[in-house]
Amino acid sequence: EPEVTQTPSHQVTQMGQEVILRCVPISNHLYFYWYRQILGQKVEFLVSFYNNEISEKSEIFDDQFSVERPDGSNFTLKIRSTKLEDSAMYFCASSDSRSGANVLTFGAGSRLTVL
Amino acid sequence: SQELEQSPQSLIVQEGKNLTINCTSSKTLYGLYWYKQKYGEGLIFLMMLQKGGEEKSHEKITAKLDEKKQQSSLHITASQPSHAGIYLCGAVNAGNMLTFGGGTRLMVKP
Repeated sequence: EPEVTQTPSHQVTQMGQEVILRCVPISNHLYFYWYRQILGQKVEFLVSFYNNEISEKSEIFDDQFSVERPDGSNFTLKIRSTKLEDSAMYFCASSDSRSGANVLTFGAGSRLTVL
Repeated sequence: SQELEQSPQSLIVQEGKNLTINCTSSKTLYGLYWYKQKYGEGLIFLMMLQKGGEEKSHEKITAKLDEKKQQSSLHITASQPSHAGIYLCGAVNAGNMLTFGGGTRLMVKP
């Protein structure tokens, strides 16, 4: 069964450093998403991406964050100047439709720890 | 914004027992999704409901959406340790963003 893969599975970084989280969505999917889950809290929407541009973003997704699809297979989330509160599990997801029966397939997540 | 409230927040049941998890929305639901998250892992899609009164089943899990499309329930029959995890209901809002409730943490005691 096709799956969304994320790397790294766990990254530890120093406060102020830049981090890039990588995702390989399902190959025929056109919509891509990043979600975040701080330990013990809700899974929160960050951003959706379609046709090489951001389609929606939440209030969390400020100038510290950026997304990119550098080639035909990868989808990345960059976090600049990381803060302690950026420590969380980051989930990538993809889907082949935007509305209606829009089922997102999630990756296993990348755990980011900021020290 | 649409808020999804799940109850209970956590649940411990004996293996073999039935259980129900509820999800209530502050607004009419146009699509209600149930996902399962194993501790520290990704989200696995279970079912999606769109029509008022709709009910779907997969193995021992049944999900229903009420006629008013503001409440959904997830029922597990004869629970097993493999059912343990965090169950999340999600809904698509006006901006087509899938947002989630706070989750229900289920533990099944053998």
